[in-house]
Amino acid sequence: AQSVTQLGSHVSVSEGALVLLRCNYSSSVPPYLFWYVQYPNQGLQLLLKYTSAATLVKGINGFEAEFKKSETSFHLTKPSAHMSDAAEYFCAVRLPGGGYQKVTFGIGTKLQVIP
Amino acid sequence: NAGVTQTPKFRILKIGQSMTLQCAQDMNHNYMYWYRQDPGMGLKLIYYSVGAGITDKGEVPNGYNVSRSTTEDFPLRLELAAPSQTSVYFCASSHRERGYEQYFGPGTRLTVT
Repeated sequence: AQSVTQLGSHVSVSEGALVLLRCNYSSSVPPYLFWYVQYPNQGLQLLLKYTSAATLVKGINGFEAEFKKSETSFHLTKPSAHMSDAAEYFCAVRLPGGGYQKVTFGIGTKLQVIP
Repeated sequence: NAGVTQTPKFRILKIGQSMTLQCAQDMNHNYMYWYRQDPGMGLKLIYYSVGAGITDKGEVPNGYNVSRSTTEDFPLRLELAAPSQTSVYFCASSHRERGYEQYFGPGTRLTVT
């Protein structure tokens, strides 16, 4: 079984400040992990993924995430927030070897960027 | 490429009515999915398909049906709409070899009253 927990359904940061969105997973084996972003009135878009290669993963728009097995975490970070980063972010998990449909999504974290 | 397209964007249904949500992709993806998104609940998988003629239930299939007669199209049918089906519906697709990356359509916002 697999699950993912996103801490904080809403996060507010000032423009230029560090963005930190938290994701913890529960899995019987090291999973594949993903971050998706959803801009208002749009579908989800893959931001970055971890599939058992490098533990520090870089994605689009300056985001990155680090897989920490000891902490069962995959937090999303960006050094300096832009107004355009305001969106909802979803962490997702899938077990290796599982079907592609077996992706479990978190409940999402809405990021607000304050000018 | 248009990617994943969905129609309609918005729809209001009365209780007991039926409708079909359309989804099409032009990326020649084998896998296609239907999700519903409810506030504070994340995305829940309704149905998925691994290829033309093959469909299977996801986590929340009750009240819905799907078909996959072609690689491109994956319509979702709602029979006897209920208020509990008020949601935003997303169609997604992924490639056989890179199935971990799902491409999402813009969504259909459905209200059942």
